[in-house]
Amino acid sequence: QVQLVESGGGVVQPGRSLRLSCAASGFIFSNYGMHWVRQGPGKGLEWLAVIWYDGSKKYYADSVQGRFSTSRDNSRNTLYLQMNRLRVEDTAVYYCARRKGSAAAFDIWGQGTLVTVSS
Amino acid sequence: DIQLTQSPSSLSASVGDRVTITCQASQDISKYLNWYQQKPGKAPKLLIYDASNLETGVPSRFSGSGSGTHFSFTITSLQPEDIGTYYCQQYDTLITFGQGTRLEI
Repeated sequence: QVQLVESGGGVVQPGRSLRLSCAASGFIFSNYGMHWVRQGPGKGLEWLAVIWYDGSKKYYADSVQGRFSTSRDNSRNTLYLQMNRLRVEDTAVYYCARRKGSAAAFDIWGQGTLVTVSS
Repeated sequence: DIQLTQSPSSLSASVGDRVTITCQASQDISKYLNWYQQKPGKAPKLLIYDASNLETGVPSRFSGSGSGTHFSFTITSLQPEDIGTYYCQQYDTLITFGQGTRLEI
């Protein structure tokens, strides 16, 4: 079935780095733009980044611009989020999500992976 | 940045009630608005895209309307399984979400 599975979350100290992965299955991954969204504890949804279906374009939220970067390996059906210089306020559940056609709606979501930034 | 303001922030309603949530954009976003439902501990679920289009498999008691800066989301007959938090999301300029509306029964 159509599925996204995130991995790579965990506990990390402030200032350190972490890389999240999002494995896609059940659909032609290389046809879809992909996004990252996070949700801090008890908070709302925050969009982080988008990458075009072929990796040719990437855009980021101001809150992570210059610290986070997204990439993809279409041969492995996998999306990545490299997170550098992590801050306590980056603590959140991180979701990857598939973009639905032209509507920039997120029609498929992963289950989320928890990142905790703490000393 | 485009801001989305949802109203109310929370509401309590009874089974069978008609429930409406509004989402106001800080500038004209045409029809570029989507609605999601999120249950505790789960990923969000897409309900409505392009302001008024029902996502495949979503019950017809859910609907959306609006354009420009003012949008509405309605549940015509509230069911117990509809509890959760609802978010609007714009994609006119990058992506932003509303702050969410918590719905209780």
